[in-house]
Amino acid sequence: GDSVTQMEGPVTLSEEAFLTINCTYTATGYPSLFWYVQYPGEGLQLLLKATKADDKGSNKGFEATYRKETTSFHLEKGSVQVSDSAVYFCALRRQTGANNLFFGTGTRLTVIP
Amino acid sequence: EAGVAQSPRYKIIEKRQSVAFWCNPISGHATLYWYQQILGQGPKLLIQFQNNGVVDDSQLPKDRFSAERLKGVDSTLKIQPAKLEDSAVYLCASSPGTGVGYTFGSGTRLTVV
Repeated sequence: GDSVTQMEGPVTLSEEAFLTINCTYTATGYPSLFWYVQYPGEGLQLLLKATKADDKGSNKGFEATYRKETTSFHLEKGSVQVSDSAVYFCALRRQTGANNLFFGTGTRLTVIP
Repeated sequence: EAGVAQSPRYKIIEKRQSVAFWCNPISGHATLYWYQQILGQGPKLLIQFQNNGVVDDSQLPKDRFSAERLKGVDSTLKIQPAKLEDSAVYLCASSPGTGVGYTFGSGTRLTVV
């Protein structure tokens, strides 16, 4: 079945460090791929998305590229800030049929000054 | 635009008791979802409504969980009787239709003791 495998955390980085959170998926066809972020005490927020192969989603300095050949959608940011501390979830939505989201387990990022 | 409203924010109950959660989606959003997020895991779909009809409830433990969406607007999710393993955050989300962006509520954190 459809699934998302996400890099386990927690991840602790110093401010201005480079961030990569790995995400790979299993699905038929061409699902849409998403990164959601959950700040402490808040709900899930869409960070970025990509709907077809080779698309790059970007927002707030974060980027992720839809790689069909490696079934991956790794999240990157060149210089993290303390305010980026949150839990990050990779998710997919099937190309056809049900449009609910399948989530990874989440990666907690802590950025220290 | 107002977000997805959920209440209560927190609930503590004893096992075998019953509990109900409420969700008010964004006005005009036809699709409403309930997700269960157990600590350390990604959210998992429990049930999806399109207007007031159920689209997918295959993952809903129907022996103890029930949900309704009267008049295609607000929704309630009920657990009766609760078990310890039901301790989780229950997230409600809505979207204008299929295949378009979700908005998540802040969730209800349930603790069963």
